[in-house]
Amino acid sequence: GQQLNQSPQSMFIQEGEDVSMNCTSSSIFNTWLWYKQDPGEGPVLLIALYKAGELTSNGRLTAQFGITRKDSFLNISASIPSDVGIYFCAGQLVSGNNRKLIWGLGTSLAVNP
Amino acid sequence: DAGITQSPRHKVTETGTPVTLRCHQTENHRYMYWYRQDPGHGLRLIHYSYGVKDTDKGEVSDGYSVSRSKTEDFLLTLESATSSQTSVYFCAISGKGGYTGEQFFGPGTRLTVL
Repeated sequence: GQQLNQSPQSMFIQEGEDVSMNCTSSSIFNTWLWYKQDPGEGPVLLIALYKAGELTSNGRLTAQFGITRKDSFLNISASIPSDVGIYFCAGQLVSGNNRKLIWGLGTSLAVNP
Repeated sequence: DAGITQSPRHKVTETGTPVTLRCHQTENHRYMYWYRQDPGHGLRLIHYSYGVKDTDKGEVSDGYSVSRSKTEDFLLTLESATSSQTSVYFCAISGKGGYTGEQFFGPGTRLTVL
């Protein structure tokens, strides 16, 4: 099945550092979503983006919908230990009745206190 | 809290036995999804439902069937479980108030097939 290219695959950073991850696609999307998954739990929606160029923040998290509609990035500022987890991007293809998301494989984030 | 539960949360079964996982929602979302999550593969869609008795296949549907007899419940059945179906299964819901793409996930079911 189709997948998004999500990078980096993993990151190990020091507490207080900023983090950046991104997703790219060869197809045009009309929605980009960013999720976080803690160990043993289901993914939780962090940020939803619906318009090319849109920049949205949620606390220390900021995400942008790329102008080309084929990419998105997520930034985390001043990381803390509870930011540890796997971050997934997901996109909705431009298609009339399509109700399925395309997923990235995730970025695993580790934070050293 | 999106009002979504999964049962059981953990199950160990033997190869060849039938298994049914249940997803229950209290939020009146139109769309419901079943995913499996395996290391290195991320989330893969098994089946989804776009209404009562309306379902469609995802990318890894072989060996799985689903049923949705009422809005609140979406059942995933493994007719004859195999070791390759050992995985963590997540249910997701979407579409309350209109479809936006946002999906909300349950806590997952960890299934082990021996």
